[in-house]
Parts: sequence; structure tokens; C-alpha cells
Amino acid sequence: QVQLVESGGDLVKPGGSLRLSCEAAGFTFSDYYMSWIRQAPGKGLEWLSYISSAGSIMYYADSVKGRFTISRDNAKNSLYLQMNSLRAEDTAVYYCARDAMATKEFFDYWGQGTLVTVSS
Amino acid sequence: AIWVTQSPPLLSASPGDRVTISCRMSQGISSYLAWYQQKPGKAPELLIYAASTLQGGVPSRFSGSGSGTDFTLTISRLQSEDFATYYCQQYYSLPPTFGQGTQVEIK
Repeated sequence: QVQLVESGGDLVKPGGSLRLSCEAAGFTFSDYYMSWIRQAPGKGLEWLSYISSAGSIMYYADSVKGRFTISRDNAKNSLYLQMNSLRAEDTAVYYCARDAMATKEFFDYWGQGTLVTVSS
Repeated sequence: AIWVTQSPPLLSASPGDRVTISCRMSQGISSYLAWYQQKPGKAPELLIYAASTLQGGVPSRFSGSGSGTDFTLTISRLQSEDFATYYCQQYYSLPPTFGQGTQVEIK
């Protein structure tokens, strides 16, 4: 069965950096676009970024453009999110999700999430 | 970006009730709309895509309708496991955007 497992969440100071990982299993990872989506405590969902199946196309929300970088390693069935210049408002649970269809950004499988807390 | 207005934010209902949740888009999105269910402490789960297509394994008491700017999620007979928060999401254009959520609570 499809499994997505995020890791890397932590407490980090404002201005700091963090790298999240998402390990995929149960499907052909290299066939799918993948996304990162976050949810601040008690708030709604915010899509952040996607990467194409081959890793050649990326797109970012304005809120993270220039600070966050999405990448993937298809040989390792893994998705990453490098987060720099972190701010308090980046505090959230971060989910990786599988795009159900290429170029159609809705999400049929989600990981369990990893918590990022940005605080001094 | 396309703005998504979801209503109501909170819905109190009893088991067996029929409930309806609405989403309105700031511009037309054809049928590029998905609905998700999220339970506390869990990741969202896809219920419906293309406005009305049920994801595999989702009970038939869930249904979606609408096109253009106005969409509806209906739960025909609310069951105990349906008490959760529901989100709509447009995927007509980037960035994909979500509604603010509707919490369905026990009356």
C-alpha cells in the first residue's frame, strides 16, 4: 500500500534552516508529481510547492518562494524540502503528498506530517 | 491566486442528518475541485475529485456537485465517523488553494 513518511521536523530559531524528508513506498515514485503542504496550528491547509516526476519542474507558493527549495531523489524514493530563513509564521505541520495526476494538483495520498516550530 | 470561500465554518448536526457544505470560487474553475476530510491529529484524506467523482473506498453517502464557481459537498446520512473537518480545494490553476474548512461537530 502507498506510504509516505515525513521526517526532519524540529524546533529551530528564526532565521535558521531545516531540511525535511519524505520517504515513499508502495508505488512507483518516479511516475508521480509530489507536493509539500503545511498546516499551521489550528489553521487550514496551505500548498507550498510541487516537483515534477523527473524533478525538472518546480513551482512554489509566493509565501515560500526564494526561501524553500523542493527536490527529489527517485533512486531513493525520497522527496525533500530545504527551508531557509525560517520565520515564526512557518511554524506548522508539514505534509508531503502525492499529486493524483500529473499537472493536476490534487492529492490522493498524504504522509502523517512532521512538525516544524520556529521560535527563539 | 483563486480565492476559495467555504461555508459554514462550523456545522452542528446529529447522526443520520443530511449535511451540506459549500465552496465558492473567486473565478470559474470548471470542475477542478477536490474535497478532503481531516480528523484531529491526522492527515487529510481525499474524498472527491473533479467536483463529483468519489475516490475509491469512499462511502456512497458522500457526494459532490457543482461547476464553475459554486460547489457543494453533501453527506446524505451522517455517521459517527463523519464528524471531522472538511476542506475543498481548487486545482484549476496554480497555486492550488484550499477553503478555510468546515468543522462538522456532534449536535
